[in-house]
Amino acid sequence: QVQLVESGGGLVRPGRSLRLSCAASGFTFSDHYMSWIRQAPGKGLEWVSCISGRTSKIYYAESVKGRFTISRDNAKNSLFLEMNSLRAEDTAMYYCVREYDAGTVDYWGQGTLVTVSS
Amino acid sequence: EIVLTQSPATLSLSPGERATLSCRASQSVSRFLAWYQQKPGQAPRLLIYDASNRATGIPARFSGSGSGTDFTLTISSLEPEDSAVYYCQQRSNWRTFGQGTKVEIK
Repeated sequence: QVQLVESGGGLVRPGRSLRLSCAASGFTFSDHYMSWIRQAPGKGLEWVSCISGRTSKIYYAESVKGRFTISRDNAKNSLFLEMNSLRAEDTAMYYCVREYDAGTVDYWGQGTLVTVSS
Repeated sequence: EIVLTQSPATLSLSPGERATLSCRASQSVSRFLAWYQQKPGQAPRLLIYDASNRATGIPARFSGSGSGTDFTLTISSLEPEDSAVYYCQQRSNWRTFGQGTKVEIK
């Protein structure tokens, strides 16, 4: 069965960096767009970034462009999100998700919590 | 950026009643619209994709309709377990979510 397991979240001070990882299993990883979606406490969902399966087309939300970098390692079935210059407003649960058909999410991880605070 | 506006913000209904949730896009998204359900403490779950297609394992009481800028999620007969927040999401231009509709079961 499809599994997505995030790691790397935690408490970090403003301006610092953090790297999230997502280990995928149960499907052909390179066949799918993968994304990071976040949800601030008590708020709605925000698409952060996505990356295509093999051609590595990459897209970012305006709110993170220039600060976050998405990448993937198809040999290791892994997705990453490098987050730099973190701000308080980046505090959120970060979900690793699989896209069934570019832009439709059919599987979600359980999320990893990132808290940016001094 | 395409903005999705959901209404109402909260819907409070009794078991067995019909729930109608609306999602309006700031410009046409054709039929590239999905609906998700999120219960407290859980990740969202895909209900409907491409406006009207039920995802695997989703009960038949959930249905979607619409195209262009106006979309509807209908729950034909509410069950207690349908209490959740429902989000619409478009994939026509990048990917954006609506702000959500909370469905409460009386």
